[in-house]
Amino acid sequence: GQNIDQPTEMTATEGAIVQINCTYQTSGFNGLFWYQQHAGEAPTFLSYNVLDGLEEKGRFSSFLSRSKGYSYLLLKELQMKDSASYLCAVRDSNYQLIWGAGTKLIIKP
Amino acid sequence: SAVISQKPSRDICQRGTSLTIQCQVDSQVTMMFWYRQQPGQSLTLIATANQGSEATYESGFVIDKFPISRPNLTFSTLTVSNMSPEDSSIYLCSVEEETGSSSGANVLTFGAGSRLTVL
Repeated sequence: GQNIDQPTEMTATEGAIVQINCTYQTSGFNGLFWYQQHAGEAPTFLSYNVLDGLEEKGRFSSFLSRSKGYSYLLLKELQMKDSASYLCAVRDSNYQLIWGAGTKLIIKP
Repeated sequence: SAVISQKPSRDICQRGTSLTIQCQVDSQVTMMFWYRQQPGQSLTLIATANQGSEATYESGFVIDKFPISRPNLTFSTLTVSNMSPEDSSIYLCSVEEETGSSSGANVLTFGAGSRLTVL
């Protein structure tokens, strides 16, 4: 079967750096997405990786290794507003999106 | 990006009743997607709604339980029929858009969701 694994919950300190990992096993690969979802709100798009390497976008970076079926989302200079769930999703060979259950990130002052 | 209005935002329903969720997009889109998000679980695609044809349902979801309408390119409804407590969930409408980046990825834009509680 297809599955996406990511930690259920993580805690980090304001101003610090946190890395959220995502491993996947899917039938084929056509890109990996990271979404942010604040409590009670809709998921919003953060980043997209289709080739190996690091994609940087301000305080957020996303890394992909297709050979290892692995990605991470790196958040720098954490702010309280970064407290949210972070969802990893992979598009498989049928262009279906397979979603992880999300990682709830708690930022402490 | 597209703006999606979804209603109701939340509702408390009685077992055995049905509820229709509406989704309005501010631009014309070919496909609209209905997702379910249960607490602590991943987003699950219920069906894809295409204008002018029947919706395409994912494994485990059937039209009798989740009838969908798509009367035009900016609007869709999802009905949750004969509800039971197991249907308590957040239901999300979404559309696919191009990011405009060099990667050419199509990303999903979501409505704010409808949180249903079935007693």
